[in-house]
Amino acid sequence: AQTVTQSQPEMSVQEAETVTLSCTYDTSESDYYLFWYKQPPSRQMILVIRQEAYKQQNATENRFSVNFQKAAKSFSLKISDSQLGDAAMYFCAYRSVTGTASKLTFGTGTRLQVTL
Amino acid sequence: KAGVTQTPRYLIKTRGQQVTLSCSPISGHRSVSWYQQTPGQGLQFLFEYFSETQRNKGNFPGRFSGRQFSNSRSEMNVSTLELGDSALYLCASSAGGLYNEQFFGPGTRLTVL
Repeated sequence: AQTVTQSQPEMSVQEAETVTLSCTYDTSESDYYLFWYKQPPSRQMILVIRQEAYKQQNATENRFSVNFQKAAKSFSLKISDSQLGDAAMYFCAYRSVTGTASKLTFGTGTRLQVTL
Repeated sequence: KAGVTQTPRYLIKTRGQQVTLSCSPISGHRSVSWYQQTPGQGLQFLFEYFSETQRNKGNFPGRFSGRQFSNSRSEMNVSTLELGDSALYLCASSAGGLYNEQFFGPGTRLTVL
């Protein structure tokens, strides 16, 4: 079974600064998807960024980018130019691509606080 | 397109009762997945329905069940409620393919007294 670990329960960043959230995972599969989801206080989970394991190039979405280290099974999220609206819980998630699996396995989350 | 909707948004029940939660996916989406979110256990996968068939199931007791209708709307039922069932229940819809993104609803907050 796959597991996802987020070792930082809480992080804080000043507005306009850069912050990196960590995520490690364990799997025996060679192909899979990794995701970062954001859950603001309103609770609606939003996809931030997606990485396909077979792609070596790190995914980027505007101010959000990942550092995907497949051999180390590490998948960190970098938020540049942090904004107050980035304050939320961030969840790292894994999804297999074998069979019909659409199940997401989540980490425990990192609460990001953005300060002025 | 309208997003994923879940009803009700809040629910209070007592131990031993049963509850039914509803999820309406994005139009055209045929897959609905359910997740339970608690402070202690985090986000856990309950099950997934695709074209009215359960095609994936998490590690939850049989008190948790679901179904999907021909219009892709899904319901989740929990019987004989326990205090530990208090949680935010999230549903996510997708087109159903392995490479399709899952879109989450706002959740139903269930409190069991």
